[in-house]
Amino acid sequence: EAQVTQNPRYLITVTGKKLTVTCSQNMNHEYMSWYRQDPGLGLRQIYYSMNVEVTDKGDVPEGYKVSRKEKRNFPLILESPSPNQTSLYFCASSLSIDRNSPLHFGNGTRLTVT
Amino acid sequence: QKEVEQNSGPLSVPEGAIASLNCTYSDRGSQSFFWYRQYSGKSPELIMFIYSNGDKEDGRFTAQLNKASQYVSLLIRDSQPSDSATYLCAVPNTGNQFYFGTGTSLTVIP
Repeated sequence: EAQVTQNPRYLITVTGKKLTVTCSQNMNHEYMSWYRQDPGLGLRQIYYSMNVEVTDKGDVPEGYKVSRKEKRNFPLILESPSPNQTSLYFCASSLSIDRNSPLHFGNGTRLTVT
Repeated sequence: QKEVEQNSGPLSVPEGAIASLNCTYSDRGSQSFFWYRQYSGKSPELIMFIYSNGDKEDGRFTAQLNKASQYVSLLIRDSQPSDSATYLCAVPNTGNQFYFGTGTSLTVIP
């Protein structure tokens, strides 16, 4: 089944404890992206990747890191999480942003930082 | 100016009525436009996409695009209670970023 898989679904952590949210897609998509969703603010793009080894900042990259060593994987890293990073996170992928193809979303990760 | 703007609502319509959702975008170079539906706590799911000016119909859904006015809309005919959700307009811009509006909350009243 074609899908975007992100893990974990729920995560509670403490301020400053490094964490990684994994994202994997099995559709051979070139474009991958991370979003956070907060009430009243909608989906905001954190980072995106056009292809392997190519990553770019979105609108809210502060406090986050990503890597794209393989086409299928695009992990999101929080080196020192803070309470303002408590949010619902979505990973998404698209065949290619140049070919007008839609984004396909993972099931989301609800992160709470205390 | 935001890249993509939507009326946040909430929008309430009776069952069987037509729901009309609107979206404007700022990047004149944008070529593709997407509508997603999102239930509370769930991930967005694609409903429709449109690339050309005019109307595109898919079942009870019709997307309308006017590039000159930088306006895209979604009509839902014969609205059902199961259509109650938040509808997101998404527009990839010429800078390779996929932007979303903040969404319009729709409630269909039985």
